[in-house]
Amino acid sequence: QTVVTQEPSFSVSPGGTVTLTCGLTSGSVSSNHYPSWYQQTPGQTPRRLIYSTHYHSSGVPDRFSGSILGNKAALTITGVQAEDESDYFCMLFMGSGNWVFGGGTKLTVL
Amino acid sequence: QVQLQASGPGLVRASETLSRTCSVSGVSISSDYYWAWIRRPPGKGLEWIGSVHHSGSAFYNPSLKGRVSLSIETTRHEFSLRLSSVTAADTALYYCARLVPAAHSYDRWGQGALVTVSS
Repeated sequence: QTVVTQEPSFSVSPGGTVTLTCGLTSGSVSSNHYPSWYQQTPGQTPRRLIYSTHYHSSGVPDRFSGSILGNKAALTITGVQAEDESDYFCMLFMGSGNWVFGGGTKLTVL
Repeated sequence: QVQLQASGPGLVRASETLSRTCSVSGVSISSDYYWAWIRRPPGKGLEWIGSVHHSGSAFYNPSLKGRVSLSIETTRHEFSLRLSSVTAADTALYYCARLVPAAHSYDRWGQGALVTVSS
């Protein structure tokens, strides 16, 4: 069974740039997987940041951007702020009515 | 404003059936969306449980091995989850959410509720 992979954790300094990735244990991620990204802060409901690879959800700051980098989907945060410290999840559409979340990346802003 | 409000018992005995209902307001549940359940066990990541459409079409996470059933009641503007034969591994925050079919993503979420399975 194919698993969606993410870095378990990442640290970044305020003002810095970080790229989180979303891959597959078998095969490459493409736009046909409709990658989406969600931010979840402890005690809060998940919030959609990016959908269909690179489209912004309403109200999401421009410092968040999505792309395909090589064989993975990527979420880049430019000019990281303290409030960006959260868990980030990607989700892929695997076809046949099957959506799979990655294990999530815990982002720490030092 | 679209709102999703879930309800149901917060404590379920092992081997019994977990039930949750999500009430939808601000949009017709008969619109062209899928309505989904997603959970997050303590210390773990998000897991898609299943999605249902007002047409009756439903999709389920294969890993739940036939224990899950979703239904939708358009006249009451709500959809429901039933998860049978629960174990401690089913203890989680349960969320209801709206799936946008064209974007294959969840744009609206209800507040999560902890459901604990007791032995």
